[in-house]
Formats: sequence, C-alpha cells, structure tokens
Amino acid sequence: DAGITQSPRYKITETGRQVTLMCHQTWSHSYMFWYRQDLGHGLRLIYYSAAADITDKGEVPDGYVVSRSKTENFPLTLESATRSQTSVYFCASRGLAGTTDTQYFGPGTRLTVL
Amino acid sequence: EDQVTQSPEALRLQEGESSSLNCSYTVSGLRGLFWYRQDPGKGPEFLFTLYSAGEEKEKERLKATLTKKESFLHITAPKPEDSATYLCAVQDWNSGNTPLVFGKGTRLSVIA
Repeated sequence: DAGITQSPRYKITETGRQVTLMCHQTWSHSYMFWYRQDLGHGLRLIYYSAAADITDKGEVPDGYVVSRSKTENFPLTLESATRSQTSVYFCASRGLAGTTDTQYFGPGTRLTVL
Repeated sequence: EDQVTQSPEALRLQEGESSSLNCSYTVSGLRGLFWYRQDPGKGPEFLFTLYSAGEEKEKERLKATLTKKESFLHITAPKPEDSATYLCAVQDWNSGNTPLVFGKGTRLSVIA
C-alpha cells in the first residue's frame, strides 16, 4: 500500500532501554521528519532528513538518534529511554498534494517508558 | 523565532452552528500556512495550504482564509463528523526546506 507507515504502533519499555521506532514511506519523498506530540506542547520536531545520509536536528533532539541509509526508511532510536520520552511519535514525509507542497503523516507510535 | 497561536483551545458547537477557528502567526517570511485535521489516535491529515494574504481555499464545509497576521478556518453548518482537533502550522522562507512549526490546536466538538 502506498503511504507512510510506522511500527510498532504501541510500545511499552523501561527506563534505560534502547528503543527504535520505524518509519517507512513508499513515495520516494526526499524529506522525512520525526515529531513528538504531548499534551500542552503540540507537535515538536525532533529530527529531519533531506535525503539519504543527510540529517539535522529539530527543536527537541536530545536523547534521540536517527539514521537514513535508504530514502524510504527513517528510524528513530532512543538510546537510553527516560520517562520524559513517553509520548506519541509521528513520522512525516514531504511531498505534493496536486501543486501544493505539504507534509504527510504516519499513524503514530504511542511510546510509554516506565 | 516562528510562533503559532491557535484559539480557542476547545470549541463546542451544536450541529449546524457555524463558527471560526483562529491561527495567529509570527514569521519573518511566510512560505506557507497549513491546516490539518487530527482525529483521536491518528496522525494529522492535510487540509489546506495558503501562500499569500487574501488567499482562500474551500473543502466541503471548511473554508480557510489568510491575512498577513492570521488565518481563519471557517466551519459552515458543521456536522458531528467534523469533530476533531484542527492544527495550524507555518513554514518560514528563512528556514528553507525545514519543517513546519505547529500551533497547539483547537479541539472541536460538534454535538447532534
């Protein structure tokens, strides 16, 4: 199916563990993004990537690592999870809706860190 | 620093009761203003992009308008299925191709 998918959809982990959230898009969009969404803060950018092997920090990058070896995949890793990283994580890619440039979002991963 | 403020935080309407959601923004140079709809447990769904003051776009019961300082999302004769959180976001020319800055959203409830 065309689109953007995230896995897992739900994850419970413990403080200090490493967790990787996966994101896959089928459009071959160059730009991909990771956001987190928390009550009272809205969507905040963690990292983004302009192309394979090109990544840059967003507003809240601390504690996260990204990689992009292939255009279609953009995994997000929490190297040592903390309770403050409990959140809903959204992956997005940038493309055209007709002639309009916009971002398309995945369904999200709900992460709970105990 | 780019800023986006949405109001009200929450809005409760009776079915058929038209209203507007506001998005005020501060950017050095507006490249685009985006409206999204988000249903509970789902990712944001694209609605509109507006590029310049005076521009308007419509989709079913929704119409988005843009001025130099704010955007409005007008909802005409809403139905219960319009209940969702509506997000506004801006992109700054000075940020190049970097991502959107989002407001915190307006949670709309339409009661039958």
